[in-house]
Amino acid sequence: ELKVEQNPLFLSMQEGKNYTIYCNYSTTSDRLYWYRQDPGKSLESLFVLLSNGAVKQEGRLMASLDTKARLSTLHITAAVHDLSATYFCAVENTGNQFYFGTGTSLTVIP
Amino acid sequence: GAVVSQHPSRVICKSGTSVKIECRSLDFQATTMFWYRQFPKKSLMLMATSNEGSKATYEQGVEKDKFLINHASLTLSTLTVTSAHPEDSSFYICSASDGFSYEQYFGPGTRLTVT
Repeated sequence: ELKVEQNPLFLSMQEGKNYTIYCNYSTTSDRLYWYRQDPGKSLESLFVLLSNGAVKQEGRLMASLDTKARLSTLHITAAVHDLSATYFCAVENTGNQFYFGTGTSLTVIP
Repeated sequence: GAVVSQHPSRVICKSGTSVKIECRSLDFQATTMFWYRQFPKKSLMLMATSNEGSKATYEQGVEKDKFLINHASLTLSTLTVTSAHPEDSSFYICSASDGFSYEQYFGPGTRLTVT
């Protein structure tokens, strides 16, 4: 069974600060996805990482993938209040099924 | 493009009744659809995978007789929660894959409350 863990589970950070969310997974996969979820809403796709060493950036968020270490990171630069949400990583298995991480609830404090 | 809708967005039903949730791909053909459930402040758990015209594949621990999934066309999958109980109350999210891109496209979710 593919297991996906994120840490931290909860993150409270001040505006303007930087932080990294980590996503570890248990079996080999070359595809990893990051999503944002606002309360009561469905998922918003942030990044699709398709190969080892992939790095993608959008605004204040940057995601990377190390398939050898089975690790992905989501780095937040100079956080702003609008980034407050829950962030999930998801790992795809060979059957195109997604297994989601435990989620990181981010609160950015003014 | 790649829009997935769900209906209804919210439903309240009485214990013992059945409720059907629809998932539609609006602008593409979905060769595969997936159903997830999410409890409050928890992660999404894959329930089942359905391919058009064939039986759904359920994840371990998911009762296939309780959660009936039908994928009768390339744009529609339905999840029927049979004999619902309060513990079935959850947020149900579907997603669809077009078989070409890597991504799954997620629906807006259906909040089910069983009283």
